Amino acid sequence: AQSVTQLDSHVSVSEGTPVLLRCNYSSSYSPSLFWYVQHPNKGLQLLLKYTSAATLVKGINGFEAEFKKSETSFHLTKPSAHMSDAAEYFCVVSEVETGGFKTIFGAGTRLFVKA
Amino acid sequence: SAVISQKPSRDICQRGTSLTIQCQVDSQVTMMFWYRQQPGQSLTLIATANQGSEATYESGFVIDKFPISRPNLTFSTLTVSNMSPEDSSIYLCSGGRHTEAFFGQGTRLTVV
Repeated sequence: AQSVTQLDSHVSVSEGTPVLLRCNYSSSYSPSLFWYVQHPNKGLQLLLKYTSAATLVKGINGFEAEFKKSETSFHLTKPSAHMSDAAEYFCVVSEVETGGFKTIFGAGTRLFVKA
Repeated sequence: SAVISQKPSRDICQRGTSLTIQCQVDSQVTMMFWYRQQPGQSLTLIATANQGSEATYESGFVIDKFPISRPNLTFSTLTVSNMSPEDSSIYLCSGGRHTEAFFGQGTRLTVV
């Protein structure tokens, strides 16, 4: 069975500084991994996804993530934070299972961006 | 991708009543799921909606409380039965294929 752990419940950065949101996963097979963002009172937006192609994945709004199988990690980074990046971020793992697949969410990391 | 439409988008309901949420996907998906997002929390998988058969529920969720139907590949309903204030949450429908899930905007339910 798969699981996902987001190592920080809250991260605070200053505008213009790098962002690092950490995610570790557990999966029996080769997982698909995703990062979603949720702004207050808004729906989920897909930032990027890893589905067994290139290990460095580039997403929208300057975000990227690197799949490291040896470390079972899929950390999300951005070189320079913007005020509009303040939101909740979810690391998500999907794994094939009998009859289909299952998608599990991490607990989320709240990103604060200071002016 | 797939577009997921849910209705209602929000509702305020009296305790003890039931609410049925509808989910329509704009293209065929292999899987449909229902999630709950309690205030300030992450998404928790309630169940996998199986076409033409009983849904597969996750631990802590039961059919009597959350009956689910999926009569065809692109439509599903979730009923929240005998509601209490603790059921106040956002309920999200998801459709997926090839291990990627797509999400609707959710139904914001308040039970008073």
